[in-house]
Amino acid sequence: GAGVSQSPRYKVAKRGQDVALRCDPISGHVSLFWYQQALGQGPEFLTYFQNEAQLDKSGLPSDRFFAERPEGSVSTLKIQRTQQEDSAVYLCASSLVRVYNEQFFGPGTRLTVL
Amino acid sequence: SQQGEEDPQALSIQEGENATMNCSYKTSINNLQWYRQNSGRGLVHLILIRSNEREKHSGRLRVTLDTSKKSSSLLITASRAADTASYFCATVTEYGNKLVFGAGTILRVKS
Repeated sequence: GAGVSQSPRYKVAKRGQDVALRCDPISGHVSLFWYQQALGQGPEFLTYFQNEAQLDKSGLPSDRFFAERPEGSVSTLKIQRTQQEDSAVYLCASSLVRVYNEQFFGPGTRLTVL
Repeated sequence: SQQGEEDPQALSIQEGENATMNCSYKTSINNLQWYRQNSGRGLVHLILIRSNEREKHSGRLRVTLDTSKKSSSLLITASRAADTASYFCATVTEYGNKLVFGAGTILRVKS
């Protein structure tokens, strides 16, 4: 594939709804990351996968956030019972082998919770 | 919470001038990376400098790293209107497994 893709690009949810955000990393990339970027801020780490193993989920803001990568490729970030403070751009990134390398970012999903 | 701080928060220059952005961070690092983000687009990796390196060049970009001061600078020479973007530094700690970003510098290059 050409790069990291994410879908949907834009999502509007009513408060209390569940949402699922999808990330397709670059083929063959072992590491996958999710970040949350608030308006005017830098991205903040949410979680990290190496293949299908979720090695770090320390950045997930609450137990309403859940991420998975069951077959070591596509990943889904799920947010349950969305709140207004969840409104942000959610970025997915992948890297070839390990976190010390450069990361390739997708275009992001802009989530707006009304 | 974010690791680093960029300085200045915003910078406006004329095409052809040089742009310098600074980044400070708090903990020991394995490497420091600079990324660019255009309005409405994803982040693009620009350059990576390891903790045992002091200076690195890539095209019109020059990055320095001073681990004793826990700071880095990004110099863009002969700027172009297309360089208009937000620039972020991001660190990877010595045993870390994630990028920790600063708040970014907004660069505007006027033609």
